[in-house]
Amino acid sequence: EAQVTQNPRYLITVTGKKLTVTCSQNMNHEYMSWYRQDPGLGLRQIYYSMNVEVTDKGDVPEGYKVSRKEKRNFPLILESPSPNQTSLYFCASSINPGGRTDTQYFGPGTRLTVL
Amino acid sequence: KQEVTQIPAALSVPEGENLVLNCSFTDSAIYNLQWFRQDPGKGLTSLLLIQSSQREQTSGRLNASLDKSSGRSTLYIAASQPGDSATYLCAVSGYSTLTFGKGTMLLVSP
Repeated sequence: EAQVTQNPRYLITVTGKKLTVTCSQNMNHEYMSWYRQDPGLGLRQIYYSMNVEVTDKGDVPEGYKVSRKEKRNFPLILESPSPNQTSLYFCASSINPGGRTDTQYFGPGTRLTVL
Repeated sequence: KQEVTQIPAALSVPEGENLVLNCSFTDSAIYNLQWFRQDPGKGLTSLLLIQSSQREQTSGRLNASLDKSSGRSTLYIAASQPGDSATYLCAVSGYSTLTFGKGTMLLVSP
């Protein structure tokens, strides 16, 4: 089954404790992206990757890091999480950047709480 | 910078009604426009994708139209059902990213 998986699905942590949210897709997609979703602000892009070893900032990259060492995986790293990073995070993938010719497939989301 | 606006922010209708959700965007240089559905606390499910050269797409009871020159799209839902209750998101595809509206929260009551 074609899918995007994220782990963990739920995470409660404390300020400053480094964490990684994993994202994996099995569709051989070139493009992957991370979004955060907050009430009243909608979905905002954090980082995206056009291909392996190619990443770029989205609208809200501060406090986050990403890496794309293999095509299928695109982990999101919070080196020193803060309470304002409490949010619902989504990973997405598509054949083309931004879903130019096809839709983006979204993971189930990771609900992160930083105390 | 692309901005996407969805009106209304929330909508409550009785079962069986036909309804229209609206989406507008500021930059007409888009590759496509997509409508997604999101259930509470869940991921996004793609409903319809309209390429920039197309005017509309249909899937079952859903019909989406696109007027690229005026920066508008509508999602028409026919004969609404309680199972249609969800948040509907509009997104436009630029060179490297999707820009989302904030969504319309739809409640269909039995």
